[in-house]
Amino acid sequence: DVKVTQSSRYLVKRTGEKVFLECVQDMDHENMFWYRQDPGLGLRLIYFSYDVKMKEKGDIPEGYSVSREKKERFSLILESASTNQTSMYLCASSFLDRRHYEQYFGPGTRLTVT
Amino acid sequence: DQQVKQNSPSLSVQEGRISILNCDYTNSMFDYFLWYKKYPAEGPTFLISISSIKDKNEDGRFTVFLNKSAKHLSLHIVPSQPGDSAVYFCAAIGNQFYFGTGTSLTVIP
Repeated sequence: DVKVTQSSRYLVKRTGEKVFLECVQDMDHENMFWYRQDPGLGLRLIYFSYDVKMKEKGDIPEGYSVSREKKERFSLILESASTNQTSMYLCASSFLDRRHYEQYFGPGTRLTVT
Repeated sequence: DQQVKQNSPSLSVQEGRISILNCDYTNSMFDYFLWYKKYPAEGPTFLISISSIKDKNEDGRFTVFLNKSAKHLSLHIVPSQPGDSAVYFCAAIGNQFYFGTGTSLTVIP
């Protein structure tokens, strides 16, 4: 079974704090993704990575950065958290091969910025 | 601009009946489409997919139909069961994944 784990299920941070969200997958997937889910907006891609130390911007990268030092681990960083970054954050992974392109998601981190 | 749209935010269906969830897209270059199911407090799970070279794919109670000329796909669930109550997202693959806004399905026992 593919397993994607996220470091926290719930997180409460103050405005201006630096926030780290960690994601680990155990299926040797090349691709890893960070999304945020908001009511009425669906899942929006923040960043993705197709290899170690590689990253690509998604639709809404502003205010976020990412780090991928190891294949199995992909971190999302909020440099200075703001209230409009309160959201559900979902990490996902997939193979690079488009024949097996389904993404597998972690359980999500509900982040509240006060 | 939303490239994948699910215009019905919610749908209620009686147990045993057919559930039809719809999805429209704007980019004719999308070549692979997927449906995901999401329960509260869990990540989405992959349900079924279809390549753009096909117009139908079936897996048990779930069937996805693709109409390329209309840029429309639909997910049929027959028969619907209470455990199918969840939010359903369609997704399309172009140079990246594009997700729709989701449809919340409630199956009434």
